Amino acid sequence: DADVTQTPRNRITKTGKRIMLECSQTKGHDRMYWYRQDPGLGLRLIYYSFDVKDINKGEISDGYSVSRQAQAKFSLSLESAIPNQTALYFCATAPQSSQETQYFGPGTRLLVL
Amino acid sequence: GQNIDQPTEMTATEGAIVQINCTYQTSGFNGLFWYQQHAGEAPTFLSYNVLDGLEEKGRFSSFLSRSKGYSYLLLKELQMKDSASYLCAVREGAGGFKTIFGAGTRLFVKA
Repeated sequence: DADVTQTPRNRITKTGKRIMLECSQTKGHDRMYWYRQDPGLGLRLIYYSFDVKDINKGEISDGYSVSRQAQAKFSLSLESAIPNQTALYFCATAPQSSQETQYFGPGTRLLVL
Repeated sequence: GQNIDQPTEMTATEGAIVQINCTYQTSGFNGLFWYQQHAGEAPTFLSYNVLDGLEEKGRFSSFLSRSKGYSYLLLKELQMKDSASYLCAVREGAGGFKTIFGAGTRLFVKA
């Protein structure tokens, strides 16, 4: 079984709709991240969390919100989706050690019409 | 400010060696990562450098010069399956809490 899972894997929605992307992990990591990836722009950080009571904005948090329901779960919400939020979204986890890599989920492909 | 530069695309021949360069400007450097990403898939970890020098791992090696803000990824004995994007990423911050990603280098391996 995958250590980091994301649901849904693909989603098509309309402008103005509320969307939630979910991420779960079985790695026991405290740190969780949400990124979006657009062609030619690389991965950009939306939000990150170091534990259940900790939420931090990344470089592109406008239009997004998150919830850390448990150590293993970190959800990303688009309150009112817009077409320029069409992207590939990745969740990632990491242990406390800064020398260890992040582990990425399989990604969610979101299309906003 | 934060900035990571790497070439957009490279092409190489099966069996050859290719070097992908990465330059960066960042504050509070806390390590540099290389990831491989096939189209539509998640990035997967290749290498980590925090000290100057070369780290070798099979067909893949990564080099770091902190004073120059420079790294490269060296891929030897190229195989067709190495066709992918290669992401350079710098971790910064006292607690190593934030990782900044470059836009990636798309490598095409031809027969």
